[in-house]
Amino acid sequence: DSGVTQTPKHLITATGQRVTLRCSPRSGDLSVYWYQQSLDQGLQFLIQYYNGEERAKGNILERFSAQQFPDLHSELNLSSLELGDSALYFCASSPLRGRTGELFFGEGSRLTVL
Amino acid sequence: QQQVKQSPQSLIVQKGGISIINCAYENTAFDYFPWYQQFPGKGPALLIAIRPDVSEKKEGRFTISFNKSAKQFSLHIMDSQPGDSATYFCAASQDSWGKLQFGAGTQVVVTP
Repeated sequence: DSGVTQTPKHLITATGQRVTLRCSPRSGDLSVYWYQQSLDQGLQFLIQYYNGEERAKGNILERFSAQQFPDLHSELNLSSLELGDSALYFCASSPLRGRTGELFFGEGSRLTVL
Repeated sequence: QQQVKQSPQSLIVQKGGISIINCAYENTAFDYFPWYQQFPGKGPALLIAIRPDVSEKKEGRFTISFNKSAKQFSLHIMDSQPGDSATYFCAASQDSWGKLQFGAGTQVVVTP
């Protein structure tokens, strides 16, 4: 158990809809990362937050947005969903003290868009 | 565009054999190279990591070899066991904020 909690584990929705994925990082970890894992794209970095502020952005679509709240949990919002958005969405956290180190991943939220 | 290129895509090895996975990168600013292991239904978990100031790091049956001049690094799994069957990802990071760029992954199957 990595200590990172993601909900929901599974989500099935229709095209055009909007969903919110939630992540609770490990206790004390200030940094949260979101990754998308699909069969043909591997693990793609979406966005990173550090102590409530956006720190880095990757291949995140404009239809997607995220935020990190004062209690450090994070939410990834996916809107106007398309079939191609079906994927596993992982959240990871890191204490981020000093040099780059280990990222701790949750078990993911599997999104299916029909 | 994949900043870290990983091969092979899949690998079948007999129990007791050696599994070798290779990765190559272009960005010379990368300064942290971890390998993650992922089992079905689980998130990736750190297996072993190396920084460019050393050429090799060993932890149990897992060894990273790092060639800075060739911009390549590899994972060797010695005495492979069925429990090692998983997907392995190499990754690289270029700054202290920890954003990892992952390779495409290698599915390793160890046969009994």
